Amino acid sequence: NAGVTQTPKFRVLKTGQSMTLLCAQDMNHEYMYWYRQDPGMGLRLIHYSVGEGTTAKGEVPDGYNVSRLKKQNFLLGLESAAPSQTSVYFCASSYSKGSEQYFGPGTRLTVT
Amino acid sequence: GENVEQHPSTLSVQEGDSAVIKCTYSDSASNYFPWYKQELGKRPQLIIDIRSNVGEKKDQRIAVTLNKTAKHFSLHITETQPEDSAVYFCAAIPPGGDMRFGAGTRLTVKP
Repeated sequence: NAGVTQTPKFRVLKTGQSMTLLCAQDMNHEYMYWYRQDPGMGLRLIHYSVGEGTTAKGEVPDGYNVSRLKKQNFLLGLESAAPSQTSVYFCASSYSKGSEQYFGPGTRLTVT
Repeated sequence: GENVEQHPSTLSVQEGDSAVIKCTYSDSASNYFPWYKQELGKRPQLIIDIRSNVGEKKDQRIAVTLNKTAKHFSLHITETQPEDSAVYFCAAIPPGGDMRFGAGTRLTVKP
């Protein structure tokens, strides 16, 4: 099993450009999450999904959109990137809300 | 929502010594408390977790204690080794709420 995978691994965007980050999991998990990690601030939840076709806002959702068209995939979109969105983005999945979250390898995004 | 504070932000110990990292949480209904380890450039990985109906849990050299009255929980690592060097994150999740992480503790184990 590959676990949780993310593409791309690195990306550089100019302000105002758009992009989509893809997360895939092969563990048949219902729950999927997108976090951003900034120095000294831990992991902050952007959006999450409790099942195919569902999405919900987390702690820092502004400037991001998500979609979960298939159970195994969770997409994070930036419609108009801003320098404040420079961060490392982690996707995660879990069997239930109060269970271990399995993280992907991360995507390092730089917005100039 | 839940708020988790973690201390210290950095911790340096000598190999073989013990390390303790403490976290406090704000929502008394929180019932799941995991600890994640993140090595440099890698993804966070669960090392131990505890639920609110248990006061202590141990797995070899690591242990977690939970004090529900005081709303704090701690990670204890004994006989530290250089490979324990990493950033450690605590987290808490209330029923129906989102998991909130602490800001992290950078542990350095000096040989």
